[in-house]
Amino acid sequence: DAKTTQPPSMDCAEGRAANLPCNHSTISGNEYVYWYRQIHSQGPQYIIHGLKNNETNEMASLIITEDRKSSTLILPHATLRDTAVYYCIVRAYSGAGSYQLTFGKGTKLSVIP
Amino acid sequence: DAGITQSPRHKVTETGTPVTLRCHQTENHRYMYWYRQDPGHGLRLIHYSYGVKDTDKGEVSDGYSVSRSKTEDFLLTLESATSSQTSVYFCAISESARERETQYFGPGTRLLVL
Repeated sequence: DAKTTQPPSMDCAEGRAANLPCNHSTISGNEYVYWYRQIHSQGPQYIIHGLKNNETNEMASLIITEDRKSSTLILPHATLRDTAVYYCIVRAYSGAGSYQLTFGKGTKLSVIP
Repeated sequence: DAGITQSPRHKVTETGTPVTLRCHQTENHRYMYWYRQDPGHGLRLIHYSYGVKDTDKGEVSDGYSVSRSKTEDFLLTLESATSSQTSVYFCAISESARERETQYFGPGTRLLVL
């Protein structure tokens, strides 16, 4: 799987949009970009994923650049409950029947009142 | 949220004792996974299952065994627990293994081996 680079931490004011960047310059054509988050002491929570096109769901939007070398997760109106570590992951089918999600260190997002 | 439960949620045990962690799902998903999470290492795959009685090793399988006798249950066993196995253990499930298939995680089990 391609490696990802994320800033270690970010702050965001409550009610504002949180924009979390991720670089994945070695991504290949069949690799999806996934975002998970982990609130302290809880299991990782799936947020969104995409391949080429921008995606939006009830939690967030995912913007993938045209060359697919970077992406941005957008939380449109951050709340205190969005304080968590956010993980950007790229993944590809291993051909062996399954594969793991490789979690890096992620970005610690702190939403400030 | 996906219907995944893990038991126990917390356990303290002594070195050398056997420990079994249980993951139970109500989604009828084919794939199930065990990860461990340690500071500085992120989540690492221990074992996974792609069907009843079908399992395979992950990145850090030494010292662990698994079993899956029913679709809904995936057991992780530490035959003789060591202090290095103190960790938070997460179970995950997915419908398939395709690259676009999402894995959903359980709440975790905190294990302390003294």
